[in-house]
Amino acid sequence: GAVVSQHPSWVICKSGTSVKIECRSLDFQATTMFWYRQFPKQSLMLMATSNEGSKATYEQGVEKDKFLINHASLTLSTLTVTSAHPEDSSFYICSARLLDRDDNEQFFGPGTRLTVL
Amino acid sequence: DAKTTQPNSMESNEEEPVHLPCNHSTISGTDYIHWYRQLPSQGPEYVIHGLTSNVNNRMASLAIAEDRKSSTLILHRATLRDAAVYYCILSPRIYGGSQGNLIFGKGTKLSVKP
Repeated sequence: GAVVSQHPSWVICKSGTSVKIECRSLDFQATTMFWYRQFPKQSLMLMATSNEGSKATYEQGVEKDKFLINHASLTLSTLTVTSAHPEDSSFYICSARLLDRDDNEQFFGPGTRLTVL
Repeated sequence: DAKTTQPNSMESNEEEPVHLPCNHSTISGTDYIHWYRQLPSQGPEYVIHGLTSNVNNRMASLAIAEDRKSSTLILHRATLRDAAVYYCILSPRIYGGSQGNLIFGKGTKLSVKP
Protein backbone atom coordinates (compact mmCIF):
# COMPACT_ATOMS: atom_id res chain seq x y z
CA GLY A 1 0.00 0.00 0.00
CA ALA A 2 0.94 3.64 -0.37
CA VAL A 3 3.15 4.95 2.43
CA VAL A 4 3.46 8.47 3.77
CA SER A 5 6.22 9.40 6.19
CA GLN A 6 6.67 12.41 8.43
CA HIS A 7 9.79 13.79 9.99
CA PRO A 8 10.36 14.38 12.79
CA SER A 9 7.96 12.18 14.71
CA TRP A 10 8.21 14.51 17.68
CA VAL A 11 9.88 17.80 18.43
CA ILE A 12 10.25 20.01 21.48
CA CYS A 13 11.22 23.62 20.95
CA LYS A 14 11.42 26.91 22.78
CA SER A 15 8.83 29.59 22.31
CA GLY A 16 9.70 31.91 19.44
CA THR A 17 11.60 29.40 17.36
CA SER A 18 10.51 27.93 14.02
CA VAL A 19 9.94 24.27 13.37
CA LYS A 20 9.83 22.50 10.00
CA ILE A 21 7.88 19.28 9.50
CA GLU A 22 8.36 17.17 6.39
CA CYS A 23 5.75 14.98 4.74
CA ARG A 24 6.87 12.51 2.07
CA SER A 25 5.00 10.08 -0.11
CA LEU A 26 7.46 7.20 -0.33
CA ASP A 27 6.17 5.06 -3.15
CA PHE A 28 3.79 7.25 -5.09
CA GLN A 29 3.45 10.75 -6.43
CA ALA A 30 1.01 13.22 -4.97
CA THR A 31 0.11 16.54 -6.51
CA THR A 32 -2.07 17.28 -3.50
CA MET A 33 -1.20 16.87 0.15
CA PHE A 34 -3.16 17.96 3.19
CA TRP A 35 -2.10 19.22 6.60
CA TYR A 36 -4.17 18.59 9.70
CA ARG A 37 -3.86 19.51 13.35
CA GLN A 38 -5.25 17.49 16.23
CA PHE A 39 -5.53 18.68 19.81
CA PRO A 40 -5.92 16.18 22.67
CA LYS A 41 -9.23 14.32 22.68
CA GLN A 42 -10.38 16.16 19.56
CA SER A 43 -10.79 15.19 15.94
CA LEU A 44 -8.51 16.16 13.08
CA MET A 45 -8.92 19.67 11.78
CA LEU A 46 -7.82 20.50 8.26
CA MET A 47 -5.35 23.36 8.20
CA ALA A 48 -4.44 23.66 4.55
CA THR A 49 -4.29 21.96 1.19
CA SER A 50 -0.86 21.82 -0.38
CA ASN A 51 -0.58 21.73 -4.17
CA GLU A 52 2.65 20.92 -5.96
CA GLY A 53 4.03 23.95 -7.71
CA SER A 54 1.45 26.42 -6.43
CA LYS A 55 0.41 28.21 -3.28
CA ALA A 56 -1.33 26.34 -0.52
CA THR A 57 -4.98 26.90 0.27
CA TYR A 58 -5.59 27.64 3.93
CA GLU A 59 -8.72 26.97 5.92
CA GLN A 60 -10.50 29.83 7.59
CA GLY A 61 -8.79 30.89 10.78
CA VAL A 62 -5.40 29.40 9.90
CA GLU A 63 -2.70 32.06 9.56
CA LYS A 64 -0.78 31.51 6.36
CA ASP A 65 2.15 33.62 7.57
CA LYS A 66 2.49 31.49 10.66
CA PHE A 67 2.08 28.09 9.05
CA LEU A 68 4.20 28.16 5.91
CA ILE A 69 3.61 25.35 3.47
CA ASN A 70 5.88 24.43 0.59
CA HIS A 71 5.14 21.64 -1.87
CA ALA A 72 8.27 21.64 -3.99
CA SER A 73 7.97 18.21 -5.54
CA LEU A 74 5.45 15.45 -6.17
CA THR A 75 6.68 13.58 -3.11
CA LEU A 76 7.45 16.26 -0.54
CA SER A 77 5.47 18.90 1.32
CA THR A 78 6.77 20.85 4.29
CA LEU A 79 4.99 22.71 7.04
CA THR A 80 6.95 25.34 8.93
CA VAL A 81 5.51 26.66 12.17
CA THR A 82 7.08 30.09 12.51
CA SER A 83 7.62 31.78 15.88
CA ALA A 84 6.01 28.88 17.66
CA HIS A 85 4.16 29.48 20.92
CA PRO A 86 2.80 27.03 23.50
CA GLU A 87 -0.68 27.21 21.98
CA ASP A 88 0.79 25.74 18.78
CA SER A 89 1.60 22.54 20.65
CA SER A 90 -0.39 19.87 18.88
CA PHE A 91 -0.27 16.71 16.80
CA TYR A 92 0.33 17.61 13.15
CA ILE A 93 -0.64 15.07 10.51
CA CYS A 94 -0.28 15.12 6.75
CA SER A 95 -1.98 13.09 4.08
CA ALA A 96 -1.44 12.55 0.38
CA ARG A 97 -3.79 11.67 -2.41
CA LEU A 98 -2.96 9.36 -5.28
CA LEU A 99 -2.67 10.91 -8.72
CA ASP A 100 -5.33 10.23 -11.33
CA ARG A 101 -7.88 8.92 -8.86
CA ASP A 102 -11.29 10.48 -8.49
CA ASP A 103 -12.29 8.74 -5.27
CA ASN A 104 -10.12 10.87 -2.96
CA GLU A 105 -8.51 7.94 -1.20
CA GLN A 106 -5.86 9.47 1.03
CA PHE A 107 -2.92 8.05 2.92
CA PHE A 108 -1.86 9.58 6.17
CA GLY A 109 1.49 10.06 7.78
CA PRO A 110 2.17 8.88 11.34
CA GLY A 111 1.99 12.42 12.69
CA THR A 112 4.41 14.81 14.37
CA ARG A 113 3.97 15.74 18.01
CA LEU A 114 5.03 19.36 18.55
CA THR A 115 5.59 20.65 22.07
CA VAL A 116 6.44 24.32 22.48
CA LEU A 117 7.87 25.28 25.86
CA ASP B 1 -19.58 18.78 2.54
CA ALA B 2 -22.26 16.28 3.48
CA LYS B 3 -22.40 15.36 7.14
CA THR B 4 -22.28 11.96 8.80
CA THR B 5 -23.64 10.78 12.14
CA GLN B 6 -21.98 8.04 14.15
CA PRO B 7 -22.41 6.74 17.69
CA ASN B 8 -19.84 8.19 20.06
CA SER B 9 -18.70 4.80 21.30
CA MET B 10 -19.22 1.09 20.93
CA GLU B 11 -17.96 -1.99 22.70
CA SER B 12 -17.16 -5.38 21.31
CA ASN B 13 -15.79 -8.67 22.51
CA GLU B 14 -12.65 -10.05 20.98
CA GLU B 15 -13.16 -12.40 18.03
CA GLU B 16 -16.76 -11.32 17.57
CA PRO B 17 -18.05 -9.35 14.58
CA VAL B 18 -18.53 -5.61 14.93
CA HIS B 19 -20.97 -3.50 12.97
CA LEU B 20 -20.22 0.21 13.03
CA PRO B 21 -23.11 2.30 11.69
CA CYS B 22 -22.99 5.61 9.90
CA ASN B 23 -25.89 7.77 8.79
CA HIS B 24 -25.48 10.16 5.89
CA SER B 25 -28.97 11.16 4.85
CA THR B 26 -27.77 14.18 2.83
CA ILE B 27 -25.35 12.20 0.68
CA SER B 28 -25.19 13.26 -2.96
CA GLY B 29 -24.92 11.02 -5.97
CA THR B 30 -21.21 11.61 -6.44
CA ASP B 31 -20.15 11.21 -2.80
CA TYR B 32 -17.85 8.37 -1.89
CA ILE B 33 -18.19 6.84 1.58
CA HIS B 34 -14.80 6.54 3.26
CA TRP B 35 -13.83 4.86 6.50
CA TYR B 36 -10.62 5.59 8.33
CA ARG B 37 -9.51 4.60 11.79
CA GLN B 38 -7.06 6.17 14.20
CA LEU B 39 -5.18 4.46 16.96
CA PRO B 40 -3.93 6.60 19.84
CA SER B 41 -1.03 8.89 18.91
CA GLN B 42 -1.02 7.72 15.30
CA GLY B 43 -2.19 9.13 12.01
CA PRO B 44 -5.45 7.86 10.54
CA GLU B 45 -5.33 4.58 8.67
CA TYR B 46 -7.39 3.91 5.56
CA VAL B 47 -9.90 1.12 6.07
CA ILE B 48 -12.24 0.98 3.11
CA HIS B 49 -14.33 3.11 0.78
CA GLY B 50 -17.21 2.65 -1.62
CA LEU B 51 -19.69 4.43 -3.81
CA THR B 52 -22.80 2.32 -4.34
CA SER B 53 -21.99 -1.38 -4.07
CA ASN B 54 -20.85 -3.27 -1.00
CA VAL B 55 -17.08 -3.58 -0.76
CA ASN B 56 -14.78 -6.11 0.84
CA ASN B 57 -11.07 -5.99 1.55
CA ARG B 58 -8.70 -7.75 3.88
CA MET B 59 -9.50 -5.40 6.73
CA ALA B 60 -13.25 -5.05 6.62
CA SER B 61 -16.48 -4.99 4.65
CA LEU B 62 -18.58 -1.98 3.81
CA ALA B 63 -22.31 -2.47 3.48
CA ILE B 64 -24.08 0.44 1.79
CA ALA B 65 -27.83 0.84 2.02
CA GLU B 66 -29.76 0.79 -1.22
CA ASP B 67 -30.73 4.46 -0.85
CA ARG B 68 -27.12 5.24 0.23
CA LYS B 69 -28.35 7.19 3.24
CA SER B 70 -26.53 4.91 5.63
CA SER B 71 -23.67 2.46 5.66
CA THR B 72 -22.12 -0.07 8.02
CA LEU B 73 -18.50 -0.94 8.49
CA ILE B 74 -18.14 -4.59 9.39
CA LEU B 75 -15.13 -6.00 11.17
CA HIS B 76 -15.60 -9.74 10.88
CA ARG B 77 -13.59 -10.75 13.93
CA ALA B 78 -12.55 -7.97 16.25
CA THR B 79 -9.09 -8.11 17.75
CA LEU B 80 -7.58 -5.99 20.48
CA ARG B 81 -5.66 -4.15 17.76
CA ASP B 82 -8.94 -2.98 16.25
CA ALA B 83 -9.60 -0.73 19.24
CA ALA B 84 -9.53 2.74 17.69
CA VAL B 85 -11.64 5.71 16.67
CA TYR B 86 -13.43 4.96 13.41
CA TYR B 87 -14.36 7.82 11.14
CA CYS B 88 -17.03 7.68 8.44
CA ILE B 89 -16.45 10.47 5.92
CA LEU B 90 -18.21 11.51 2.75
CA SER B 91 -16.14 12.94 -0.05
CA PRO B 92 -17.32 14.02 -3.48
CA ARG B 93 -15.77 12.60 -6.58
CA ILE B 94 -12.65 14.56 -7.47
CA TYR B 95 -12.73 16.49 -10.71
CA GLY B 96 -9.95 18.60 -12.13
CA GLY B 97 -9.19 21.51 -9.83
CA SER B 98 -11.31 20.39 -6.92
CA GLN B 99 -9.54 20.11 -3.59
CA GLY B 100 -11.17 17.04 -2.15
CA ASN B 101 -10.87 17.71 1.56
CA LEU B 102 -11.74 14.98 4.04
CA ILE B 103 -13.75 16.46 6.89
CA PHE B 104 -13.35 14.44 10.08
CA GLY B 105 -16.19 14.30 12.58
CA LYS B 106 -15.88 12.87 16.07
CA GLY B 107 -16.08 9.26 14.94
CA THR B 108 -16.92 6.16 16.95
CA LYS B 109 -14.54 5.03 19.64
CA LEU B 110 -14.47 1.23 19.51
CA SER B 111 -13.39 -0.66 22.61
CA VAL B 112 -12.59 -4.36 22.33
CA LYS B 113 -12.76 -6.53 25.41
CA PRO B 114 -10.63 -9.66 25.69
